[in-house]
Amino acid sequence: QITLKESGPTLVKPTQTLTLTCTFSGFSLSTSGVGVGWIRQPPGKALEWLALIYWDDDKRYSPSLKSRLTITKDTSKNQVVLTMTNMDPVDTATYYCAHGGIRRDFQHWGQGTLVTVSS
Amino acid sequence: DIVMTQTPLSSPVTLGQPASISCRSSQSLVHSDGNTYLSWLQQRPGQPPRLLIYKISNRFSGVPDRFSGSGAGTDFTLKISRVEAEDVGVYYCMQATRNPYTFGQGTKLEIK
Repeated sequence: QITLKESGPTLVKPTQTLTLTCTFSGFSLSTSGVGVGWIRQPPGKALEWLALIYWDDDKRYSPSLKSRLTITKDTSKNQVVLTMTNMDPVDTATYYCAHGGIRRDFQHWGQGTLVTVSS
Repeated sequence: DIVMTQTPLSSPVTLGQPASISCRSSQSLVHSDGNTYLSWLQQRPGQPPRLLIYKISNRFSGVPDRFSGSGAGTDFTLKISRVEAEDVGVYYCMQATRNPYTFGQGTKLEIK
């Protein structure tokens, strides 16, 4: 059974850096073809893809946010970490991690974590 | 970026009746490997998204067969043959043919 869970701060101040951790089980990020992605959803709005990391450490980012994002993995801990710099109130959203990869779909999702950006 | 446009944005449906959601992409979603990476996701109220359909028409594990996907190129459709109460929520199409992956605005399915 594949599960993913996001963790991190619920409140960050403008200009701060957000660090989110996705802890997963039921699969390994060292298995060929596997990836983990991050997607966010502002309250009442649509989904937005942010970043994706593959088993071979290949990384993909949304071009509009690339300068602010870093995605890394720790295979031994079954974790993927997303950092986003220079947070702004418009970045207030529920952040999801999801299991994906070369299939190019997101088969399993975490429950999401709501991050509010406010002073 | 590829823009995904869904219609309608809201769909009131009678229980037991069919429902259909359209998704149009601003560019062809045919990948150089021959696949078309168009998927459909369902988001029930207060829940994370759930994969329903991948590569246009393949139902994901555990998805009822009343859900079906079709289309090609730039025009795609999700159909629900007979809507049930548990189908209430927002439906998104997503393209993963080109970076960045992009989603439609969402279609809210509600019961009349």
